[in-house]
This record gives sequence, structure tokens and C-alpha cells, in this order.
Amino acid sequence: GAVVSQHPSWVICKSGTSVKIECRSLDFQATTMFWYRQFPKQSLMLMATSNEGSKATYEQGVEKDKFLINHASLTLSTLTVTSAHPEDSSFYICSARDLTSGWSLYEQYFGPGTRLTVT
Amino acid sequence: GENVEQHPSTLSVQEGDSAVIKCTYSDSASNYFPWYKQELGKGPQLIIDIRSNVGEKKDQRIAVTLNKTAKHFSLHITETQPEDSAVYFCATIGRGNQGGKLIFGQGTELSVKP
Repeated sequence: GAVVSQHPSWVICKSGTSVKIECRSLDFQATTMFWYRQFPKQSLMLMATSNEGSKATYEQGVEKDKFLINHASLTLSTLTVTSAHPEDSSFYICSARDLTSGWSLYEQYFGPGTRLTVT
Repeated sequence: GENVEQHPSTLSVQEGDSAVIKCTYSDSASNYFPWYKQELGKGPQLIIDIRSNVGEKKDQRIAVTLNKTAKHFSLHITETQPEDSAVYFCATIGRGNQGGKLIFGQGTELSVKP
């Protein structure tokens, strides 16, 4: 159980275009989802936290107008990178947790990641 | 806020040897310490975690130890195998304005040579 999927697994887009990444919880209800960005040889950097039905909370330094997050249902959150530029090329990873089914506050499960390349 | 330091950044061992990765944290009230394994091009996977009410936890070849006084915790992998090669991240859960968020260490790239 506790499977998180991401789509697409990789995407190439041209500079100036927008790209949407989906994160789905397949066998549980994700009351909270987290979005991370990871550059090569670096650790995961939290970008934002989203609770179902609420606006996302962004970490300091993350542009909320550039990285649009929508968590409209208990199984789906989307990250849209608007007007992408080469410096946005990175590995984007989501994670999800369920606080309504007796899970520990600490449990969260990660998706497989999406490799974004902006040319 | 909470800060997690992880060492070493790279570790190379021979198959069958043990590997130890150490992390230190800054918030003495931290009470949850997970370890994640990330293979190339994949998301992190939880491999073991420990709560602050225990000092050690084992799961087959993997163990984690916690020293609350010194504020450090370590991952021990025994009888390493080539498939253990990956990047390992320690983490803890932030409090206050970091509440509920995982705070990751810098990662350790483990290479197990056959």
C-alpha cells in the first residue's frame, strides 16, 4: 500500500512554455502533499506544502506565481511550471501523507519523480 | 530552525563490508528520524526510521542508532551488497514554522564494489 505516482516521468519543453506535473496517491487519501525540487548531486529542497482544498504554502524563495500548485482532490495534486526557463530544469518529486486514517504524523510516501528539461 | 548535517558525502566499500553514515541535528526536541534510499532517477524510499523513545532499531541488515544527548543518529548497513549502492538521506521532522516538514541531510552516495 501507500503508492504515489507521478506523471510524466520525464518531460522536455521549450523555454517560455508551461508544463504540468501530476502527483497521485493510488491507494490512500492524501490530505497533504509536498513538492520538492532536487538538483543533481544535491538534497531535496521543499518547494511547497498543499492541503486538499486549500491554497498551497510556499517555502521562502519559491515563486508562487511561477510554480502553481493545485490540490483539488484527495488523490491528485498538480504542479505547473509557468514560463519555464533552462534554470527550472530539475528533478521534481512529490510526497503525500494521510492524517485521517490513523497514520502517524510522520509518515509520508514519495513519488518516483519527474525529470524536467527546459531547452 | 532545525538543521541536519550528514557525513560522509561519499562512501565506497567492498561487498560484504559494513557501511556507516552519520547525521547530527540541532533541535534537541526532534523526535523522529527516518532514513531514505534514493536510486538514480527515482524518488526516495523510506528504509528505516526511529523515534526518540528508543536508542536502536534493526531490520535485517539495516540498523539505526540514536544518541539524543549528542544529537546524532547513524545508519548501519552490514554485509553490503552491490544493490545497496545508492544515495542515502537522513532526515528529521521540523517544528515551529518548519512543522511537519522533513528536513533532509545533504546525502551520502554509497558505492558497494563487488
